[in-house]
Amino acid sequence: GIQVEQSPPDLILQEGANSTLRCNFSDSVNNLQWFHQNPWGQLINLFYIPSGTKQNGRLSATTVATERYSLLYISSSQTTDSGVYFCAVEPAGTDKLIFGTGTRLQVFP
Amino acid sequence: NAGVMQNPRHLVRRRGQEARLRCSPMKGHSHVYWYRQLPEEGLKFMVYLQKENIIDESGMPKERFSAEFPKEGPSILRIQQVVRGDSAAYFCASSPELGDGAYEQYFGPGTRLTVT
Repeated sequence: GIQVEQSPPDLILQEGANSTLRCNFSDSVNNLQWFHQNPWGQLINLFYIPSGTKQNGRLSATTVATERYSLLYISSSQTTDSGVYFCAVEPAGTDKLIFGTGTRLQVFP
Repeated sequence: NAGVMQNPRHLVRRRGQEARLRCSPMKGHSHVYWYRQLPEEGLKFMVYLQKENIIDESGMPKERFSAEFPKEGPSILRIQQVVRGDSAAYFCASSPELGDGAYEQYFGPGTRLTVT
């Protein structure tokens, strides 16, 4: 089956720093989504981005489907950005999301 | 516009009991997905349902687990004779009617099942 790998696995930042999270996938996909799981366990939709670039406030994402990767940019990080960031892909020909291993982000004041 | 609703949010069951988890999709969504997240792991797909139909149950354990999405009412994930290894967060997601392309899945807050 498709492999979804995220890097780095852990990231520690001071408030105000910028970061880039990466998601690599091993096969063609119909859909790619980024999520933030906060420390209380809630899963928050960040981006639906099968291709191209999108921005939402301090966050932006880019997916290059032909090269099978996606990037999530976080600028001017805040303590509330702490949590685990997941990318999830929907392999071509299926209707289910396959989640990556996650990047655990800790932002300190 | 209400999001995906799940209840209960927390459920405690003793070994051998049954657990019933409910999911109401977003208004206008007719497709429901269940995912399980074991402690310190990512989410794993379990089952995909449309009204009155199971479309893909390739991620469901073969025994003790079942799911339904009746014509009226919420989708139900049922776990019979629970064991400690069933302790996890169970997330439901919904999406609108699928056309030619994929659609974004929207997730509920999850049900945290603890088996004692």
